[in-house]
Parts: sequence; C-alpha cells; structure tokens
Amino acid sequence: QLQLQESGPGLVKPSETLSLTCTVSGGSISSSSYYWGWIRQPPGKGLEWIGSIYYSGSTYYNPSLKSRVTISVDTSKNQFSLKLSSVTAADTAVYYCARHVPGDWYFDLWGRGTLVTVSS
Amino acid sequence: SYVLTQPPSVSVAPGQTARITCGGNNIGSKSVHWYQQKPGQAPVLVVYDDSDRPSGIPERFSGSNSGNTATLTISRVEAGDEADYYCQVWDSSSDRLFGGGTKLTVL
Repeated sequence: QLQLQESGPGLVKPSETLSLTCTVSGGSISSSSYYWGWIRQPPGKGLEWIGSIYYSGSTYYNPSLKSRVTISVDTSKNQFSLKLSSVTAADTAVYYCARHVPGDWYFDLWGRGTLVTVSS
Repeated sequence: SYVLTQPPSVSVAPGQTARITCGGNNIGSKSVHWYQQKPGQAPVLVVYDDSDRPSGIPERFSGSNSGNTATLTISRVEAGDEADYYCQVWDSSSDRLFGGGTKLTVL
C-alpha cells in the first residue's frame, strides 16, 4: 500500500528557505506514470497547489509561487522535495505531499501533512 | 486565472441529501474532482472526473458537471459526513486549482 510522509523543520525564520521532503513507501516513485505534488493549507484557510514533478524531473509550478519554488526528485531515495525561498509569515501552513494523476490531474493519495511556521 | 466558486457553508439534516456546488466559467468542459477534509486530517478524494468514485468511497457520494456548475451530491447524509469539501480542476497556467471550500454541517 503506497504511503507518503512529509518531513522537515517545523519552524523557519523569515527570509530563509523552507525545505521539506516527501518519502514514498510501498512503491517506486519512478515505476509508474504519476506526478508527485505539493499542496499547502494556511491555518483555517483553503488548499493551494504549489507544484508537481515527474520522476524524470519535469515540473509544473503555481505561477504565483514559481519565482520562489523549486521541486526536485531523488529516485534513488524514493523521495521528492520542496524548497520555498524568502519565506514570510504568509507561508505558514500545513504542507501536504500527494500523488498527482496525469490526464485529469487529481490528487489521489495524500500524506498526513506537516505544519511549518514562519517566525523569528 | 480560472476561479472556482463554492458556497462557504451548507447545512443538512441526517438522512437528507446535501448538494455542494462549484461554479466556474464553462466548468462543464473541464474534469472536476472533489475532496473531503475532516478537522486535523488530510484531504481525501471522494469523486474524480466529474462523477467517478475511488474504491472505498460510498455510493452515497456522487457528482455531476454541466454548464457553469459542478455538483457534489451526498445522499442519506450521516453525521460522519460533516467536513469541508473542496472542488478542483486542472489548469497549469492558473494559480488556483481548488475552490474555496464548503463546510458541510449535519444538523
């Protein structure tokens, strides 16, 4: 049974770079035609897609975040990662990783999420 | 960018039918997906491609999509259906894939 698990610091200082990793277990990140995505949810607010990556490295980014976002993949570790630079308090959110099904592009499996707080 | 509009809240009595709408310009030409999110939990896909259900999702959950409105219908609502529901479409050039969410309250 495929599972996704987010990991990374829960506290990041303003202007620094937020870094998170999603580890995929129960299956290979590169053995099937899925993309792998990041979504965030500020406290008490709705869902915001950040970006998605294919195991080959092909990416899609949210245009509003594109200048600050880098998503990468490490197939040897069965992981993909998120870096968000120059963070502010507005980037405080629960960050989810999810499997992104191409074609109709829905998210069919999600990690549990990890809260990242931006504060000095 | 493409905007999805959901009502902030919907209330329904147990055993009745809940309908949650998702409005968008010519949304009927797109595939719409729905997620259920309970407090403190990750979202769960309940309907994809307008009206398909993932395995394990009860038949009480159904979807439709036409014109400028997509609808998630929950029949015979139970207390456990109380949650936030989000619609989603795909537009790689948009900064908004998800609707704003609808809080379903079971009275």
